[in-house]
Amino acid sequence: GENVEQHPSTLSVQEGDSAVIKCTYSDSASNYFPWYKQELGKRPQLIIDIRSNVGEKKDQRIAVTLNKTAKHFSLHITETQPEDSAVYFCAASKGITGGGNKLTFGTGTQLKVEL
Amino acid sequence: GAVVSQHPSWVICKSGTSVKIECRSLDFQATTMFWYRQFPKQSLMLMATSNEGSKATYEQGVEKDKFLINHASLTLSTLTVTSAHPEDSSFYICSAGGKGQQPQHFGDGTRLSIL
Repeated sequence: GENVEQHPSTLSVQEGDSAVIKCTYSDSASNYFPWYKQELGKRPQLIIDIRSNVGEKKDQRIAVTLNKTAKHFSLHITETQPEDSAVYFCAASKGITGGGNKLTFGTGTQLKVEL
Repeated sequence: GAVVSQHPSWVICKSGTSVKIECRSLDFQATTMFWYRQFPKQSLMLMATSNEGSKATYEQGVEKDKFLINHASLTLSTLTVTSAHPEDSSFYICSAGGKGQQPQHFGDGTRLSIL
């Protein structure tokens, strides 16, 4: 089955700096890669996603890049703010959106944005 | 946006009790629902996938007789933890996927504590 690895497990940055989280996946059939932000005790919230026919996607301060050949994708957060502090999970799915297909999650990255 | 309601949000009960968790899609038809378990400071692990009107598909290592899943309608799925023990204490989260291009939508989760 699919295996998703995520690094780093913890990341501390100064407010205003950029943060990068990287994931690799094993199944070349995966074609949908969402990123979730989870605050303590709450549900994961989809912050951005990318499909395998796209190499990069950006939404304001958040961007995701995908390298299908190397089977890795990354989350980039620019101009970090304290409210960005949370646990971030990457995921992979064989479905075009993951709506009807199971997601395999990475191990998570605890991001802390320090003042 | 799509809303998934999960109840209860918190359950504390004695060992040996059975606990039922409900997951409802409030404004769309969920052809597929997923149940995840998340231990503290860990990732979301898929337990099972259920499609309306059919038996759930369980992930390897998940006891189907202990974690009973019912998906009787396009808006409701239930997870029953039978004869719960302290090691079953965890955060259980459902997600619902509809047809088309929509991604999965997560419920708010249920924190289960078995004494």
